[in-house]
Amino acid sequence: DTAVSQTPKYLVTQMGNDKSIKCEQNLGHDTMYWYKQDSKKFLKIMFSYNNKELIINETVPNRFSPKSPDKAHLNLHINSLELGDSAVYFCASSPQGGGYTFGSGTRLTVV
Amino acid sequence: GQSLEQPSEVTAVEGAIVQINCTYQTSGFYGLSWYQQHDGGAPTFLSYNALDGLEETGRFSSFLSRSDSYGYLLLQELQMKDSASYFCAVRDRGWQAGTALIFGKGTTLSVSS
Repeated sequence: DTAVSQTPKYLVTQMGNDKSIKCEQNLGHDTMYWYKQDSKKFLKIMFSYNNKELIINETVPNRFSPKSPDKAHLNLHINSLELGDSAVYFCASSPQGGGYTFGSGTRLTVV
Repeated sequence: GQSLEQPSEVTAVEGAIVQINCTYQTSGFYGLSWYQQHDGGAPTFLSYNALDGLEETGRFSSFLSRSDSYGYLLLQELQMKDSASYFCAVRDRGWQAGTALIFGKGTTLSVSS
C-alpha cells in the first residue's frame, strides 16, 4: 500500500497548456504539502493544507491553484504552463509537527 | 531571511564515517530534520532533533546545538547504497502558526569502494 501516491509520474506538455497533478495519502495525516524541486535539487514549499484548509501559500504565481476536497487529497492545477515550470513536484503529508512522507514525485517537462 | 547552509558535496569510501554539517539562520526554530534522497527518488525522513544533543538510529546519528544554530548528520560504516543527497530542514514556526519545513540545498554524498 503506497502511503502517499501522486499521479502522473511523468508529464510532458506544451507551453500554454493546463495540467493537473493528483495526490492522495492513506496515512491519516492532517497536513499535506506541495513542494517544487528544481534542477539543482532545491526543495521549495509551495502550499500547505491542514484539514482541507489552506495554511501556507508561498510566493507562487497564481497560475498554480491547489485544491483539497478532503484531508486525504491535495491536487495541484497549473494554468498556462511556462518553460520555467519544468521541475519535479512532490506532494507530502505529515502528522502535526511530525516527519514528512513524500510521494514519488511528478516530473513535469514543459516544451 | 531564512537560510540553511550545508556542503554541496562529500565523498568517502565504504566503511568510513562521514559528517554532514548544517548551519541555519531562521526567524524561529522548532526542530532540525534530515532527509535522504536517492537519484530519481523521493526524499525520505531520517531523523529529527528538537533538543540539543545526539539522536542515534542505527548507523545514522544526528546532533543539534541550538545555541550555535548548528547540527550535523553522522553516517557510520558507509555503504554504497548510502550514496544519495542529504537535506537538512528546519521548521521555523510553531504548529499553530501554520508551518512547513524549510530545506537546505542538499549535500550529495558519493561513496566509493
